[in-house]
Amino acid sequence: KNQVEQSPQSLIILEGKNCTLQCNYTVSPFSNLRWYKQDTGRGPVSLTIMTFSENTKSNGRYTATLDADTKQSSLHITASQLSDSASYICVVSAGNDMRFGAGTRLTVKP
Amino acid sequence: DARVTQTPRDKVTEMGQEVTMRCQPILGHNTVFWYRQTMMQGLELLAYFRNRAPLDDSGMPKDRFSAEMPDATLATLKIQPSEPRDSAVYFCASGRDQGTQYFGPGTRLLVL
Repeated sequence: KNQVEQSPQSLIILEGKNCTLQCNYTVSPFSNLRWYKQDTGRGPVSLTIMTFSENTKSNGRYTATLDADTKQSSLHITASQLSDSASYICVVSAGNDMRFGAGTRLTVKP
Repeated sequence: DARVTQTPRDKVTEMGQEVTMRCQPILGHNTVFWYRQTMMQGLELLAYFRNRAPLDDSGMPKDRFSAEMPDATLATLKIQPSEPRDSAVYFCASGRDQGTQYFGPGTRLLVL
């Protein structure tokens, strides 16, 4: 069983709508949690990094939350744009070890 | 606009051949990572360097893969001999300590 589970696997929304992606993990001991955006054919781009003490972190229209007690994180995208169409990957670090989610494939339609 | 560069961008080779991928991290970054990405397995961490010293290469098949940093401006990932199951996109990323990692464009490897 993967130690980082992302849901949904894929999501289609209309331009302008909001959406929330989920990341649940069992990795321990926790160091940090990162959200990446990956456009097709490109390398991942970092959106947010959160440590144990951080509950919320924003990057423009992207807001990540972290509940270290329940080991859950979410990425909320506000007022989606066509350029938000991409895969979103959650990565949880435990020291030098990294565990990767399988990603959520988001498609924003006009 | 500093970026991580990787060469080659695409590589097609035959099974059994040696493959060398190169990465130039962003100047001033002290951590370098090698990742592999496939449709089936997603992203996997292969190796991780800090200040040119290997910290973790447990994700790398040691019998055929090797990763080195000859100097602070160059990281290499070598596969010898290559196998069809090595076909993937290989990403290099660099950063400072536990901070943001900046990914290169990747090397798309196809082993026939």
